[in-house]
Amino acid sequence: DGGITQSPKYLFRKEGQNVTLSCEQNLNHDAMYWYRQDPGQGLRLIYYSQIVNDFQKGDIAEGYSVSREKKESFPLTVTSAQKNPTAFYLCASSSQVGEQYFGPGTRLTVT
Amino acid sequence: DAKTTQPTSMDCAEGRAANLPCNHSTISGNEYVYWYRQIHSQGPQYIIHGLKNNETNEMASLIITEDRKSSTLILPHATLRDTAVYYCIVRGTRMDSSYKLIFGSGTRLLVRP
Repeated sequence: DGGITQSPKYLFRKEGQNVTLSCEQNLNHDAMYWYRQDPGQGLRLIYYSQIVNDFQKGDIAEGYSVSREKKESFPLTVTSAQKNPTAFYLCASSSQVGEQYFGPGTRLTVT
Repeated sequence: DAKTTQPTSMDCAEGRAANLPCNHSTISGNEYVYWYRQIHSQGPQYIIHGLKNNETNEMASLIITEDRKSSTLILPHATLRDTAVYYCIVRGTRMDSSYKLIFGSGTRLLVRP
């Protein structure tokens, strides 16, 4: 099956710990994205990558980091510097100018 | 900020058409109108997009006014599974900051049995 996978679906961490969220796609898309969603709100862009080994900050990049070493993978690290990390995290991919396809999301809870 | 305005919520009866409006009065000539929906606790799903002509696919129809300042997403025969938040998004085509999806709060559609 072609698509985007995110793992795990639910993730729990203690405050002060870094945590890495996985995102993999087998759609052969060049571009990948990370969004954050808080309850009752729309999605906000964290980081995006147009091509391997390149990425740009989105609107709320502080406290997050990414890498794009392979075309199919775009992991997101939520660092201890992120003040309010508890949220629903969504990964997406697209061809260069095509519509974005989203993964199922990872719900992160930090206590 | 989102460039679109949508009603907070709507409802319709199962089997009837659901017409979801969107205002985008500041849209520029090279910007498309995209529609996504998000079922509770899932990732958003692409529905349809258009530039100035009306568009139809297996999921929905998109009607864009001639001045392009507003549009309507039509689900011709709504089912209970269409209950979701629907996002209307204006987006450019260049792979730069104008290309990102800016999600507002969307319209929460409730399809009643």
